[in-house]
Amino acid sequence: AQTVTQSQPEMSVQEAETVTLSCTYDTSESDYYLFWYKQPPSRQMILVIRQEAYKQQNATENRFSVNFQKAAKSFSLKISDSQLGDAAMYFCAYRRTGNNDMRFGAGTRLTVKP
Amino acid sequence: DADVTQTPRNRITKTGKRIMLECSQTKGHDRMYWYRQDPGLGLQLIYYSFDVKDINKGEISDGYSVSRQAQAKFSLSLESAIPNQTALYFCATSDLPRPGQGSTGELFFGEGSRLTVL
Repeated sequence: AQTVTQSQPEMSVQEAETVTLSCTYDTSESDYYLFWYKQPPSRQMILVIRQEAYKQQNATENRFSVNFQKAAKSFSLKISDSQLGDAAMYFCAYRRTGNNDMRFGAGTRLTVKP
Repeated sequence: DADVTQTPRNRITKTGKRIMLECSQTKGHDRMYWYRQDPGLGLQLIYYSFDVKDINKGEISDGYSVSRQAQAKFSLSLESAIPNQTALYFCATSDLPRPGQGSTGELFFGEGSRLTVL
């Protein structure tokens, strides 16, 4: 079974600073997808960024970028120029190719200090 | 209107009652999922369905059942609710992941149904 581990239950960052959230996963597959979802207090789950395992280039979406280390099975999320609106729970998720489900980590609660 | 709609948004019930959470979607996706969220545990998969005739158990299906009434509708039932089923429940949909074709099988979530069992 695939498992996703987020080792940081809570993180905090000063507004305008950079923060990195960690995620590791366990799999024997070579093709898969990785995701970061954000859950603000409104509880809506919002996709932040995604990475296809066969792509070596790290995904980037504006202030959000990932460091994908396939051999180490690591997928960290970097948030640059943190804003108050970035405060939320962040979930790392893994999905194999084909007809399969998605598995989530336990989440990291990010606090942004003004 | 939301692409994935869950009803009710909030529900308080008593132990032993039967509860149904409903989900409908306008994404046109064949794949639908029910997840449960508890603090510190992330999202755990209860059931998933890849088409109307396909239902699969997830990690924590005991005490739950589902019905896929149509491509757009997927309901979750608690036949006899108990207090440790108090949680936030999410319905989600997805397309089939297609490597190199821009489809990664990301999940599209409803707004969640908060259930409290007293």
